[in-house]
Amino acid sequence: NAGVMQNPRHLVRRRGQEARLRCSPMKGHSHVYWYRQLPEEGLKFMVYLQKENIIDESGMPKERFSAEFPKEGPSILRIQQVVRGDSAAYFCASLQGNHNSPLHFGNGTRLTVT
Amino acid sequence: DQQVKQNSPSLSVQEGRISILNCDYTNSMFDYFLWYKKYPAEGPTFLISISSIKDKNEDGRFTVFLNKSAKHLSLHIVPSQPGDSAVYFCAASGNGGATNKLIFGTGTLLAVQP
Repeated sequence: NAGVMQNPRHLVRRRGQEARLRCSPMKGHSHVYWYRQLPEEGLKFMVYLQKENIIDESGMPKERFSAEFPKEGPSILRIQQVVRGDSAAYFCASLQGNHNSPLHFGNGTRLTVT
Repeated sequence: DQQVKQNSPSLSVQEGRISILNCDYTNSMFDYFLWYKKYPAEGPTFLISISSIKDKNEDGRFTVFLNKSAKHLSLHIVPSQPGDSAVYFCAASGNGGATNKLIFGTGTLLAVQP
C-alpha cells in the first residue's frame, strides 16, 4: 500500500457535521477511485476521478456526498451533514493510466459518526 | 444484488497445507478477475489477476483458476504460511480488463495455524 496516502486515518464526527477525507495518489498516477467498506461488507465503488474531472460517480449517494480531484493537491471526498450510517472505512485507490493494471489502495480513513 | 459472492466467511488451514478460497459471480459480462489481500487497519493489496480468456494464472505460491461455465474462480495458496493470515477479497470487472468500478465480494478470513 506504499504510495497512496490517505488522511486522516481515523475521523470522528458528530451527526450533522462535515467530514473531509483526503487522498494523495501514487506519484505519476492521474486516476483516483474512492471505495467504501461498511461493516461486514466488501468494498463498494463510489467515484472515479481524473485531474479536474469526475469520470464516473455512479456509486455516490445522491445527496451529501461529493468528490473532487483538483489540478493541484489531493483528492477530497466530502460528506456533509453526516449520519450514523456513514460510519465506514473509506479507501482511495490510484492508477497510472493503464486500466489493465491493478488498483493500488491506500490504508483508508475510518469514519465514525457519533 | 451481490454480483460477486464469497460464501465462506472464514477458513482455517494448517501451515504447509493448501488454502483454497472460492468465489462465485453472477454477471456473465465480467471478464477480468482479481484477488486482493487485506490485513487489519490496512488497505487491500493486489495479489493476482486473471483475464477471462485464460483458465489459470500462477504467481509463486498463488494460483487462480477460472471456470467460466460455472462462473466460479478460486485462489490456491500452497504452501500456506502464517503470514498469509488475512482477509481475501475476490473482485471482478466487466470493462474489458479495466480495473475501475471493481465489484468486490464480502471477503474470506484465512487463518493459517502454525
